[in-house]
Amino acid sequence: QLVLTQSPSASASLGASVKLTCTLSSGHSSYAIAWHQQQPEKGPRYLMKLNSDGSHSKGDGIPDRFSGSSSGAERYLTISSLQSEDEADYYCQTWGTGIRGVFGGGTKLTVL
Amino acid sequence: EVQLVESGGGLVQPGRSLRLSCAASGFTFDDYAMHWVRQAPGKGLEWVSGISWNSGSIGYADSVKGRFTISRDNAKNSLYLQMNSLRAEDTALYYCAKVRVTMRSDAFDIWGQGTMVTVSS
Repeated sequence: QLVLTQSPSASASLGASVKLTCTLSSGHSSYAIAWHQQQPEKGPRYLMKLNSDGSHSKGDGIPDRFSGSSSGAERYLTISSLQSEDEADYYCQTWGTGIRGVFGGGTKLTVL
Repeated sequence: EVQLVESGGGLVQPGRSLRLSCAASGFTFDDYAMHWVRQAPGKGLEWVSGISWNSGSIGYADSVKGRFTISRDNAKNSLYLQMNSLRAEDTALYYCAKVRVTMRSDAFDIWGQGTMVTVSS
């Protein structure tokens, strides 16, 4: 079964960097994922598609501070030079074969 | 500007029906698969249903299978979600989302602002 696992919360200081993790279930380590940001009281916003080789395609207007990387079944979102507006929920998403979608449980990022 | 605008949400009694719409603009609608995603109050994102560019492939989450029906009208650049036999647990903000690339499954790259559905007596 295709499942994405995320830690419920993370925190980092203003100006620092943080690395969020999304883990693909066993047997699905070659899958690409997407990262989405949801700021408080707003709809989700596409950040990037991240492939198993670490290559990624960012959405329009996404700052260079946001980057992605991969290792095995793990997919990472790194945010550098943290700003207050980066405080948000971050979701990973994948799609498998056919018409379906799968979301991770989301990580709530607090900027200290 | 690429845009998705949902409508049709509201307060409905358990067991009743509701039809959501999503109006698309700024892109060639009939080239892309489309999806519905919902978010219950205080909870995470949950995929609900998706439909291929030509309606040839459709998928549903187990939680809505047999009760919800997704459809699209490419001539009207519109996506729909017919929701029957609604339950309290269907209460959520419903988003429509566009797939990033044409003719196949991929990441969701454009989201609407959502329409709220509340199921309560």
